[in-house]
Amino acid sequence: DGGITQSPKYLFRKEGQNVTLSCEQNLNHDAMYWYRQDPGQGLRLIYYSQIVNDFQKGDIAEGYSVSREKKESFPLTVTSAQKNPTAFYLCASRSGEVTGELFFGEGSRLTVL
Amino acid sequence: QKEVEQNSGPLSVPEGAIASLNCTYSDRVSQSFFWYRQYSGKSPELIMSIYSNGDKEDGRFTAQLNKASQYVSLLIRDSQPSDSATYLCAVTRGRRALTFGSGTRLQVQP
Repeated sequence: DGGITQSPKYLFRKEGQNVTLSCEQNLNHDAMYWYRQDPGQGLRLIYYSQIVNDFQKGDIAEGYSVSREKKESFPLTVTSAQKNPTAFYLCASRSGEVTGELFFGEGSRLTVL
Repeated sequence: QKEVEQNSGPLSVPEGAIASLNCTYSDRVSQSFFWYRQYSGKSPELIMSIYSNGDKEDGRFTAQLNKASQYVSLLIRDSQPSDSATYLCAVTRGRRALTFGSGTRLQVQP
């Protein structure tokens, strides 16, 4: 079945460590996104990519990095520069159509100890 | 002013009633509008999408769009306890990333 796979589902990190969240899609979508969600809040855009080997910063990119070497994959690295990384991270993809809907993975919950 | 605004709730309705959720947006040239449902601890799932003024119905759900007034709403008829969740409004234009509101928490009382 087509979909988006995020891993790990839960991740614990010590302060000062970088961690990478994986996102893979087999929907053949061009665009991929990373959102962050804090308790009781909506989704805030971290990074997005419309095409392979290209990506743009979203509203809260500081302390994060991404790569888009393959159409199917859009990993997110949470660096030690991110001051408050504990959150629910959602990867999503969308077709290139203007009316295309956003499909989400199941999310990765990161906790900093 | 936030780009997409929603009342955080909770909105509490009795089982069988109509729940009305509202959303306003600031970008006048927005073209695509979405309602997502999110259960606690889960990822959002699409409920409705709407692109032109008027109403769009799908089962118990009706989305309403008024571009002149820059608002979009979601009506849930015959509300069920399983409808209890947070409803996120999202807006975009062209191929831009979706901008989300902070969500409205709906509680359906049995």
